[in-house]
Amino acid sequence: GAVVSQHPSRVICKSGTSVKIECRSLDFQATTMFWYRQFPKQSLMLMATSNEGSKATYEQGVEKDKFLINHASLTLSTLTVTSAHPEDSSFYICSAMTASLTYEQYFGPGTRLTVT
Amino acid sequence: GDSVTQMEGPVTLSEEAFLTINCTYTATGYPSLFWYVQYPGEGLQLLLKATKADDKGSNKGFEATYRKETTSFHLEKGSVQVSDSAVYFCAPRQGGSEKLVFGKGTKLTVNP
Repeated sequence: GAVVSQHPSRVICKSGTSVKIECRSLDFQATTMFWYRQFPKQSLMLMATSNEGSKATYEQGVEKDKFLINHASLTLSTLTVTSAHPEDSSFYICSAMTASLTYEQYFGPGTRLTVT
Repeated sequence: GDSVTQMEGPVTLSEEAFLTINCTYTATGYPSLFWYVQYPGEGLQLLLKATKADDKGSNKGFEATYRKETTSFHLEKGSVQVSDSAVYFCAPRQGGSEKLVFGKGTKLTVNP
């Protein structure tokens, strides 16, 4: 149980375009989802926390207009990178959490974004 | 704010060697402590956790003990396998907070 999926696993897009990444909790309802960014050989950086039905809370330094997060249902959150640039290339990971699972975070497999 | 210091990698060991990955943290109050593992090309998986002082988390032969007096949560395994090759992250979670604070990760390579 407690499986989180992400789609796509890899995406290549051209500079200036937007790309959407989906995060789904497959077998539980996630009241809270988190989005992280992981640079090569570095730790995970929390970008934002989203609760179902409300606006995401962004960490300091993360541009909310560039990284749009929508948590429309208890099983789906999306991250849209708008007007992507090469410096947005990274590994994006989501996690999901719920009270019934003792508030532990369950992570998706990640999405590799490459902006050319 | 809360922070975590993890042993710098990479760590390379032979199969059946003893593993220690050090982790110390700074936090107010009584955080819960977690070790996550990331296998190549995959997301993070919870390896083990401890929620109060002197608790020992264990899983798949790995162990870590919550040491409040030294604010440490070192990861150990008595005999590593090639399949343990991965990146290991120490992550405290402040009491009352949802957020995990991740260390920089330690890459472990186990050779046959």
